[in-house]
Amino acid sequence: GESVGLHLPTLSVQEGDNSIINCAYSNSASDYFIWYKQESGKGPQFIIDIRSNMDKRQGQRVTVLLNKTVKHLSLQIAATQPGDSAVYFCAENPGGGADGLTFGKGTHLIIQP
Amino acid sequence: NAGVTQTPKFQVLKTGQSMTLQCAQDMNHNSMYWYRQDPGMGLRLIYYSASEGTTDKGEVPNGYNVSRLNKREFSLRLESAAPSQTSVYFCASQGLVYEQFFGPGTRLTVL
Repeated sequence: GESVGLHLPTLSVQEGDNSIINCAYSNSASDYFIWYKQESGKGPQFIIDIRSNMDKRQGQRVTVLLNKTVKHLSLQIAATQPGDSAVYFCAENPGGGADGLTFGKGTHLIIQP
Repeated sequence: NAGVTQTPKFQVLKTGQSMTLQCAQDMNHNSMYWYRQDPGMGLRLIYYSASEGTTDKGEVPNGYNVSRLNKREFSLRLESAAPSQTSVYFCASQGLVYEQFFGPGTRLTVL
């Protein structure tokens, strides 16, 4: 797999490899974090979420890791497929409840055949 | 279920014109949101409505107004469009958990 720095606008990986997308969040009081996938011309689509009382959460082929000490979030995609090609955004809920999400800048995941 | 729907899908305006973007959700969610997305950027919150009858400003409210018409519908109005409002606008809704569901977006160009 390929690991990236804190935030890169573009990540290129080989099909079948694991992908790791990183994100730094700003508000230490945020208690909910979410990863979205956005394909070209479409709205963001939910991938996985995690609450601040957890360090790790797994879904189907995806894992989210939360490090509250350094305010860092990562998304791991196992066995990357062509259909994973998209822009991935992390988002936090700084106000809690219904106040809206604060989004990161996004990472464009490119899958090499 | 259609989820979150938005109209129109595309719109071109001249500077100074007005228009209303429509959004509806059929998931019986209490909260609804309007975001804008500029090229290469994440989404930024314009306005939101935590429940029917309430609206609040988000990060970038200037130049916009909203109306929560009923539980299903939340509209965004540009009274006097400016080129800086050229963007893609997304509506979202949220139920009892924090996950937000997004519509397909409205691509607005202001000349």
